[in-house]
Amino acid sequence: EMQLVESGGGLVQPGGSLRLSCAASGFLVSNFYMSWVRQAPGKGLEWVSVTHTDGSTHYADSVKGRFTISRDNPENTVYLQATSLRAADTAVYYCARGRPYFHMDVWGKGTTVSVSS
Amino acid sequence: QTVVTQEPSFSVSPGGTVTLTCGLSSGSVSTTYYPSWYQQTPGQAPRTLIYNTNTRSSGVPDRFSGSVLGNKAALTITGAQADDESDYYCVLYMGSGVWVFGGGTKLTVL
Repeated sequence: EMQLVESGGGLVQPGGSLRLSCAASGFLVSNFYMSWVRQAPGKGLEWVSVTHTDGSTHYADSVKGRFTISRDNPENTVYLQATSLRAADTAVYYCARGRPYFHMDVWGKGTTVSVSS
Repeated sequence: QTVVTQEPSFSVSPGGTVTLTCGLSSGSVSTTYYPSWYQQTPGQAPRTLIYNTNTRSSGVPDRFSGSVLGNKAALTITGAQADDESDYYCVLYMGSGVWVFGGGTKLTVL
């Protein structure tokens, strides 16, 4: 069964950092582009970042320069390093597998990041 | 800044048909944006319904269909059921490795 499990969320002070992990099972992340999508409390979904199989990465303007996506293919895991965190970054962060025609077909259950003093 | 627009809320009667739309604050949505649709119930991860405008994801009932109507992408639910009551999100691929989600539509079945 294909599965994504996110971890690494928690409570962090403004300006702090966190590294989120997304562990995959049932498929190899090396064969897919992988995205992070977040959802602030009571709000909609927001695409955050993507890592492609060729190593290229892209970011939403809201996180550019502060977040870094990476992958460890031998560990079958994708990461999101979040720095200079702000209250507006408070959200559930989902990891999702990318498929042809630019959609996401497998989603994790999410990990919660809370930025507060 | 590109904004993807969706109706904030919609209501449909059981057995009825409803069409949710996904537009752009500036310009028209076409198939070149590869619109996809996701269903989310509270506290759950999103579920993929439709991708590439009109292709149903595996296991999605055929009462869900996607299209482009005029200048917007559309998700039509035919024969709505109680468990279709959810939030529905569209997302457009903007090119250059960037996606933008719409604000979501809260669908009530009553």
